[in-house]
Amino acid sequence: DVVMTQSPLSLSVALGQPASISCRSSHSLVYSDGNTYLNWFQQRPGQSPRRLIYKVSTRDPGVPDRFSGSGSGTDFTLKISRVEAEDVGVYYCMQGTHWTYTFGQGTKLEIK
Amino acid sequence: QVQLVESGGGVVQPGRALRLSCAASGFTFSAYGIHWIRQTPGGGLEWVAVLSNDGSNKYYADSVKGRFTISTDDSKNTLYLQMTNLRTEDTAMYYCAKEFNSPGNHWGQGTLVTVSA
Repeated sequence: DVVMTQSPLSLSVALGQPASISCRSSHSLVYSDGNTYLNWFQQRPGQSPRRLIYKVSTRDPGVPDRFSGSGSGTDFTLKISRVEAEDVGVYYCMQGTHWTYTFGQGTKLEIK
Repeated sequence: QVQLVESGGGVVQPGRALRLSCAASGFTFSAYGIHWIRQTPGGGLEWVAVLSNDGSNKYYADSVKGRFTISTDDSKNTLYLQMTNLRTEDTAMYYCAKEFNSPGNHWGQGTLVTVSA
């Protein structure tokens, strides 16, 4: 299985400050069709996960533009340009290129 | 709008079976891959199984292969996860979710499975 490794596992950020989460995969996530199937999810306390970004950098509808995804191959990053109170929760990366799909361990974001 | 509603969770003894359901609405059920994902009490997410959009392919995580079976009833727009020979490590919140690699990802609210003697 492809191993997804996130860092850091926890993050404490002041309101209005930027945040960055790294996700590294044990294998390249470039699929045979040329796409890279790397997703980012947010899970707020008590809620189901919600996808923020798919194919590395495409935001889902309704996701604020302060969230951005980047990267290629095996190295990916989720950035929040200015953290807001509603961003508290756990963030997961997930690869959808190789069967079986796999998630990172999660990064817990709290407000400092 | 798109809705996924899981049901069928509960408390079950090790070695017993349980069937989960995922009722879908608001989209053409047979046009999308529908997945089962679980979240352990420790919080980690684990992808469990998928039924491809044309119903011809089923994939399972190694941890459940041979014990869990995914199926569908298109007439009811419902996906099932038949779980047999349950183990304590299968204790988790089970979610169904639509589409991971294209627009339109949606998750249900989850159903809790507890495997305990």
